[in-house]
Amino acid sequence: GESVGLHLPTLSVQEGDNSIINCAYSNSASDYFIWYKQESGKGPQFIIDIRSNMDKRQGQRVTVLLNKTVKHLSLQIAATQPGDSAVYFCAENKGSNTGKLIFGQGTTLQVKP
Amino acid sequence: DGGITQSPKYLFRKEGQNVTLSCEQNLNHDAMYWYRQDPGQGLRLIYYSQIVNDFQKGDIAEGYSVSREKKESFPLTVTSAQKNPTAFYLCASSPPRGGRASEQYFGPGTRLTVT
Repeated sequence: GESVGLHLPTLSVQEGDNSIINCAYSNSASDYFIWYKQESGKGPQFIIDIRSNMDKRQGQRVTVLLNKTVKHLSLQIAATQPGDSAVYFCAENKGSNTGKLIFGQGTTLQVKP
Repeated sequence: DGGITQSPKYLFRKEGQNVTLSCEQNLNHDAMYWYRQDPGQGLRLIYYSQIVNDFQKGDIAEGYSVSREKKESFPLTVTSAQKNPTAFYLCASSPPRGGRASEQYFGPGTRLTVT
């Protein structure tokens, strides 16, 4: 069946360290994978996405890695800051014309000062 | 200032009453979506609309209804048939196909409490 899951519900890191948030997916036909950040009481914000024909994409302080062999997606945040504390969701777009996304459960990132 | 607005931020209703949640966007996006989020959970799709006057059921449409009479607006009605309506409701929109169709922009959400 279809599912997008994250390995850990909570990740705690020290300010300044790098964070790695993981996600496993099961649908090989997905076209895009997306990472969202959701702060408490707010809607999710787009962070970065990656097409299925890529294995790495970099943004500002963030890198997304896609390993299609093991169906694994990760979000790396460099020099984690207190403002990075939030829930992070991975999502996949199956590439259908509907634009529908399937979301994972979310990982809570806690940044310790 | 373009974006998606949802109102109200907090909504309280008595059990048995229908309630309509507002979602408006001025991004000129064709597609709009409604999600439900429960504590500690991911987002689940309720309904989506790819174009005006057309919409489709998502994964958990039972007890909900929508309309899409205008491109900018996609209101969601939570009916009395919805057994567990208390949740955080999120509206999103995405650009036309051919653009960054994977990127959905979310509103700030409406927290509905039914007692």
